[in-house]
Amino acid sequence: NAGVTQTPKFRVLKTGQSMTLLCAQDMNHEYMYWYRQDPGMGLRLIHYSVGEGTTAKGEVPDGYNVSRLKKQNFLLGLESAAPSQTSVYFCASSALAGRLSYEQYFGPGTRLTVT
Amino acid sequence: GIQVEQSPPDLILQEGANSTLRCNFSDSVNNLQWFHQNPWGQLINLFYIPSGTKQNGRLSATTVATERYSLLYISSSQTTDSGVYFCAASGGYQKVTFGIGTKLQVIP
Repeated sequence: NAGVTQTPKFRVLKTGQSMTLLCAQDMNHEYMYWYRQDPGMGLRLIHYSVGEGTTAKGEVPDGYNVSRLKKQNFLLGLESAAPSQTSVYFCASSALAGRLSYEQYFGPGTRLTVT
Repeated sequence: GIQVEQSPPDLILQEGANSTLRCNFSDSVNNLQWFHQNPWGQLINLFYIPSGTKQNGRLSATTVATERYSLLYISSSQTTDSGVYFCAASGGYQKVTFGIGTKLQVIP
């Protein structure tokens, strides 16, 4: 199992450009999450999904959109990047259907710089 | 949402020393995890421990859900233990809240 993978690993954008970050998991997990981590801080939840075709806002959703068209994939989009979105982005997944465990598994992260 | 506080914020240990990291949370939880973020930024699952005690080698963790805290014990610390330790908690599958972490430096 590859677990949770993220592409790309690094990206530099100019202000106003758009991009999509891809997260994939092969653990058949129901729930998927996108977080951002800024220097000296813990992770903050951007958006999450409780199943294919569903998404919900987290703590810091502004400026981001998400889609979950397939159970194994969760996409994070930036329509018009801003320097404040410079961060490290982590994807996570959890919970097999019917299992009462919320243990989250994280991808390796994507380092995004917006100039 | 749940508030998560970690202490201490920074810790410097001599190799071989033991340490205890603390995580306090503001409400009842059914998800409590400890992570280690290594110097390369990778988040490594240490424990999923909404209650009780678990041990894995030199690491162990205890969560006392009724008193709303969790402890992570590191014994015989090694330089490879350096990094940031995060506690994360939630009441379910959503709105997981991370603490700001304990930065650990183990010196030879």
